[in-house]
Amino acid sequence: EAQVTQNPRYLITVTGKKLTVTCSQNMNHEYMSWYRQDPGLGLRQIYYSMNVEVTDKGDVPEGYKVSRKEKRNFPLILESPSPNQTSLYFCASSPIGGWDRTQETQYFGPGTRLLVL
Amino acid sequence: GENVEQHPSTLSVQEGDSAVIKCTYSDSASNYFPWYKQELGKRPQLIIDIRSNVGEKKDQRIAVTLNKTAKHFSLHITETQPEDSAVYFCAASINGNQFYFGTGTSLTVIP
Repeated sequence: EAQVTQNPRYLITVTGKKLTVTCSQNMNHEYMSWYRQDPGLGLRQIYYSMNVEVTDKGDVPEGYKVSRKEKRNFPLILESPSPNQTSLYFCASSPIGGWDRTQETQYFGPGTRLLVL
Repeated sequence: GENVEQHPSTLSVQEGDSAVIKCTYSDSASNYFPWYKQELGKRPQLIIDIRSNVGEKKDQRIAVTLNKTAKHFSLHITETQPEDSAVYFCAASINGNQFYFGTGTSLTVIP
């Protein structure tokens, strides 16, 4: 089944304790992206990647790191989480980076709900 | 950077009526405008999108219009049904790389 998976789905942690949220897609998509969703703010893009070893900052990259060593994986790293990073996080992927997109555009993962105490 | 504003934030309609959600954007270079539907507790899913070389696109009961001059685009849902109840997000992008989302519209269709 074609899908985007995220792990963990729920996470409670404490301030300053490094964590990684994994994202994996099995559709051979080139483009991958991370978003955070907060009430009243909609979805805000954190980082995106057009291809392996290519990553770019989105609208809200502060406090986050990403890497794209393999096409299928795009982990989100919080080196020193703070309470303002408590949020719902979505990973997404799409077939082709850049202008030439299909109808489906971005496939979203199921989300990771993070609470930082 | 780009700024996308979405209105209204909440919308209630009677079943069978039409619903319209409007978005404006600030960066004239934006050329790709998708709309997503997010049901409670679920992930966003694309319902329709439009590119800047097209003024209108329709898919069954859903249509999107784009006015590049005024920098606004709208989602139109006709003959609404209870299963259309969800939060709808618009977004703007330059070449499908970086995406800027609106703050969402919570649509309730009253049976």
